[in-house]
Amino acid sequence: NAGVTQTPKFRILKIGQSMTLQCTQDMNHNYMYWYRQDPGMGLKLIYYSVGAGITDKGEVPNGYNVSRSTTEDFPLRLELAAPSQTSVYFCASSDRGQGETQYFGPGTRLLVL
Amino acid sequence: DAKTTQPPSMDCAEGRAANLPCNHSTISGNEYVYWYRQIHSQGPQYIIHGLKNNETNEMASLIITEDRKSSTLILPHATLRDTAVYYCIVRPGANSKLTFGKGITLSVRP
Repeated sequence: NAGVTQTPKFRILKIGQSMTLQCTQDMNHNYMYWYRQDPGMGLKLIYYSVGAGITDKGEVPNGYNVSRSTTEDFPLRLELAAPSQTSVYFCASSDRGQGETQYFGPGTRLLVL
Repeated sequence: DAKTTQPPSMDCAEGRAANLPCNHSTISGNEYVYWYRQIHSQGPQYIIHGLKNNETNEMASLIITEDRKSSTLILPHATLRDTAVYYCIVRPGANSKLTFGKGITLSVRP
C-alpha cells in the first residue's frame, strides 16, 4: 500500500491565483482530513469527510473548498490565494472516526507571494 | 475537551531511554491518550495510544498513572532518527477531532 499520497510537494502561487491540492489514499478509509501547519505551530483542521459525498468544516475552513466524489480522493481547492495561506498542508485518513488512528501524507508546501 | 501540557523541549543521549512527559489533569474516564510524532518536514506518524493500562509496541511504551492525570512516552533506546516533535493528544471520543498542540521537541544527541 502506498498509504496517503499528496501532490504537488511544493508550489509557489501568486496572490489571487487558484490551485487544487490532491490527496489520494489506498487503504479504503472512510474518513479523510485536511490540515494546515504554520511554522512552529501545531496542525489545524481545515475540512474533513466521513465518506464519499459528505464533507464538513473544521476549525479554519475560510478560503478553502473540498469535494469527495470517491472514497480514495479528497482534493482541497484554494480559489483566491492569499499570503495568509502560506503553509504546509497535510492530508490524512482514518478507518473510522476522527479520533481513530490517522495516517498522514507527506505534505504539500505552499508559498503565496 | 481535556487539554494536555507538555514541556517545549528536551534532549537525551543516543542509546539512552527518552522519557517524554504529558499532563492531562482534566481527562475523563472514557478518553484515550494518543501519541504522534512529526519528524522534520514530514507528516505526523502514529506511535501508540492507551486508556488505563500501560501499553507497549515496537516503537515505544506508554505509561499512564493510576489517576490518569499524566502519562509518559518511553523510547527505550533513542536514536538520532527519533529527533522529532512529539504530540500528546487526548481523544474525547471516536468521532471527535484530534487536536495537535505544539508538542515537545525531542533532540537526540550523538
